Amino acid sequence: GAVVSQHPSRVICKSGTSVKIECRSLDFQATTMFWYRQFPKQSLMLMATSNEGSKATYEQGVEKDKFLINHASLTLSTLTVTSAHPEDSSFYICSAREGLGQGVGAAGANVLTFGAGSRLTVL
Amino acid sequence: GDSVTQMEGPVTLSEEAFLTINCTYTATGYPSLFWYVQYPGEGLQLLLKATKADDKGSNKGFEATYRKETTSFHLEKGSVQVSDSAVYFCALRSGGSNYKLTFGKGTLLTVNP
Repeated sequence: GAVVSQHPSRVICKSGTSVKIECRSLDFQATTMFWYRQFPKQSLMLMATSNEGSKATYEQGVEKDKFLINHASLTLSTLTVTSAHPEDSSFYICSAREGLGQGVGAAGANVLTFGAGSRLTVL
Repeated sequence: GDSVTQMEGPVTLSEEAFLTINCTYTATGYPSLFWYVQYPGEGLQLLLKATKADDKGSNKGFEATYRKETTSFHLEKGSVQVSDSAVYFCALRSGGSNYKLTFGKGTLLTVNP
């Protein structure tokens, strides 16, 4: 089945530095990828939707200059947390939607595949 | 806006016990409803779904029925196994939302031998 690889799984950084998290679709092309954030004992909150080759669409309240999203290819999206602060510490999860015309049919295009998540700790 | 409320965990059961994890929702229109499962160290996986009222989603012995009158989508399994230990998320997708999912907080299930 479809697999999404997320890297790194854990990262610890100093306050003020930037951290990049990668989300790769390993065996399919993802026209759309979603980035979520999860606080302890809270729901997954959608941060932004990224479409290959275009600017990401951010949810209300998410700072686009703080959380830079790049979806430069059909298999890779990156989330960069810029000038990280302790309050940015969280669990970040990506998901990918298979693109149409990839031989998977309409049903496959409705499937979202999630990565295992990346735990960011900012000291 | 859309929201999902699910049973607070953690839930601890013995093997072969009956499982219920409650989930209720608020949404505009007629959402699709989902249960996702996250095993330790892995990504979320779709467990089952229902797209309209009275639909029953089922997979791996788990079931959930879309109840529009009570705005609920409770997850049930008649006999749990140790391998069912995971975090379970209830989620909805409103019509026309371009695949954006609204999640509940997740419920940690631990099944002991």
